[in-house]
Amino acid sequence: AQKVTQAQTEISVVEKEDVTLDCVYETRDTTYYLFWYKQPPSGELVFLIRRNSFDEQNEISGRYSWNFQKSTSSFNFTITASQVVDSAVYFCALSEAPSSNTGKLIFGQGTTLQVKP
Amino acid sequence: DGGITQSPKYLFRKEGQNVTLSCEQNLNHDAMYWYRQDPGQGLRLIYYSQIVNDFQKGDIAEGYSVSREKKESFPLTVTSAQKNPTAFYLCASSIGSTGVQYFGPGTRLTVT
Repeated sequence: AQKVTQAQTEISVVEKEDVTLDCVYETRDTTYYLFWYKQPPSGELVFLIRRNSFDEQNEISGRYSWNFQKSTSSFNFTITASQVVDSAVYFCALSEAPSSNTGKLIFGQGTTLQVKP
Repeated sequence: DGGITQSPKYLFRKEGQNVTLSCEQNLNHDAMYWYRQDPGQGLRLIYYSQIVNDFQKGDIAEGYSVSREKKESFPLTVTSAQKNPTAFYLCASSIGSTGVQYFGPGTRLTVT
């Protein structure tokens, strides 16, 4: 069965610190997508990134970076020089294989990040 | 502006009443989804639809029903058969089953 584990329930940092959110996944599919979403206090999920299972290149977008390692089934998310506006719940998600044609996402429990000024 | 709208943001109902949550998108997406989020938990899939007039059950469909009569609309009815309906409900849409899912602002349903 597919599963996503975000072992860190809550993380608290002081502004300008770097922080890494961990995500470990389980799947038997050879083709899949991995996602990160941000859920601010307003509740709406904001898409951050999608990675194809065949693309293990790390990605950087401004202060955000992602480390995808198939060997350890991990897709970790790092925020550099955190800011108060980064405070939110962050979800890692795994898609079913595209061949299933469901579009179903399996979400982790989420990590609540609090950035203090 | 293109996006997904859900209304209302907060909804209160008495136990035993059916209630319908609205989800509309003007992104011209074929696929639409309903998720449920409980406090401290991730999202779980209730129903999804890849095309108009067709939909499938997700992981927790019991006590819920949907319709997809128009491409832009995917309403969710929470029936009295749903044993624990109080939750945050999120609607999403994507271009296809492999597209990125974009979410609406959610509806917080409280049943007493």
